[in-house]
Amino acid sequence: DGGITQSPKYLFRKEGQNVTLSCEQNLNHDAMYWYRQDPGQGLRLIYYSQIVNDFQKGDIAEGYSVSREKKESFPLTVTSAQKNPTAFYLCASSISPRKRDRGNQPQHFGDGTRLSIL
Amino acid sequence: QQQVKQSPQSLIVQKGGISIINCAYENTAFDYFPWYQQFPGKGPALLIAIRPDVSEKKEGRFTISFNKSAKQFSLHIMDSQPGDSATYFCAAMIEYNTDKLIFGTGTRLQVFP
Repeated sequence: DGGITQSPKYLFRKEGQNVTLSCEQNLNHDAMYWYRQDPGQGLRLIYYSQIVNDFQKGDIAEGYSVSREKKESFPLTVTSAQKNPTAFYLCASSISPRKRDRGNQPQHFGDGTRLSIL
Repeated sequence: QQQVKQSPQSLIVQKGGISIINCAYENTAFDYFPWYQQFPGKGPALLIAIRPDVSEKKEGRFTISFNKSAKQFSLHIMDSQPGDSATYFCAAMIEYNTDKLIFGTGTRLQVFP
């Protein structure tokens, strides 16, 4: 089945440590996104990528970094500069708007990674 | 102008009742309004969506009502069931011009038997 796979499901970070969250999709989607979810604050966009080797900052990019070396993969690194990393992180993907038709979903989501501080 | 305001933050409904969640937007360029349903520990999944060329869309027990002049849209869940207990997000986008969805802050729905 086509979909988005996020790993690990749970992750713990020590002080001063960088951690990387994995996101892989086999939907052949051009665009990929990372969101952070905190209780009562909805989904906040961290980074997004519309094409391989290109990405843009979202609303809360500070303390995070990404890469997009392959169409299928969009890993997110939570750096030690992110002082409050405890959250639920969601990866999503979508067809490029240029290829979209009325039957396409806007964004498909993975099942998330819950990151906590040790 | 990019915000989507969602209310209420939480909602408790008895089984068989009607659940109503409201959203409002400012950007008149938005032309696609999806609702996502999220169960605990899972990612959001598309539930139902509407475009401004219609005022209502119904899929089973779920209905979106859309008021273009008021820039508001709402989700109605008829005959609410305990299995509907989840967090619901409204969203808005400019469908063929951008990849970005603007999400509301979410409504946590609890349906009691």
